[in-house]
Amino acid sequence: DAGVIQSPRHEVTEMGQEVTLRCKPISGHNSLFWYRQTMMRGLELLIYFNNNVPIDDSGMPEDRFSAKMPNASFSTLKIQPSEPRDSAVYFCASSRRGLTAHEQFFGPGTRLTVL
Amino acid sequence: DAKTTQPNSMESNEEEPVHLPCNHSTISGTDYIHWYRQLPSQGPEYVIHGLTSNVNNRMASLAIAEDRKSSTLILHRATLRDAAVYYCILRGANTDKLIFGTGTRLQVFP
Repeated sequence: DAGVIQSPRHEVTEMGQEVTLRCKPISGHNSLFWYRQTMMRGLELLIYFNNNVPIDDSGMPEDRFSAKMPNASFSTLKIQPSEPRDSAVYFCASSRRGLTAHEQFFGPGTRLTVL
Repeated sequence: DAKTTQPNSMESNEEEPVHLPCNHSTISGTDYIHWYRQLPSQGPEYVIHGLTSNVNNRMASLAIAEDRKSSTLILHRATLRDAAVYYCILRGANTDKLIFGTGTRLQVFP
């Protein structure tokens, strides 16, 4: 199994530009999570989906952030317009609901730098 | 969300056992205790979880106090590869959310 796949691994952009981060969860997993990690705020849950439906987006910082999951094998996190304070490592994770729901599998992350 | 308290950092020598403590005095009866770790430049990875009884797996052991207000993650023989930030997290039975705190940074010396 390839694990959770995230792209790009690194993104450098200028303030005001649109940024799209992509995630492919592990096949068969039906929960997907987006996290953000910074030195100041640590690891924060932004949003999560069950069966492609957003369940809790209370961690999304503001309207500039949006996330979609059009199907079970793909999700995007979009920032428009981006700001320097959005610079962080963004992780995607997936899990299988049910008896093994306790284990979330994390991707390698996307390091975003907004200049 | 119930909170956890962990020491900021701990040190160990290679091949020695490591006991990583976690206090969670406000834990509710249905909260699961989870441990994840994050190696440098990687995403977090699951270590172990439990509810009331002690648990063992290939990575570690989890010892849960009888009143469930604290727990200890036990690495039986630390290796250099175990150097990471270890997070103790409480997760409610009816949610998939994990709320990460600041964790304990474990240093392992040869």
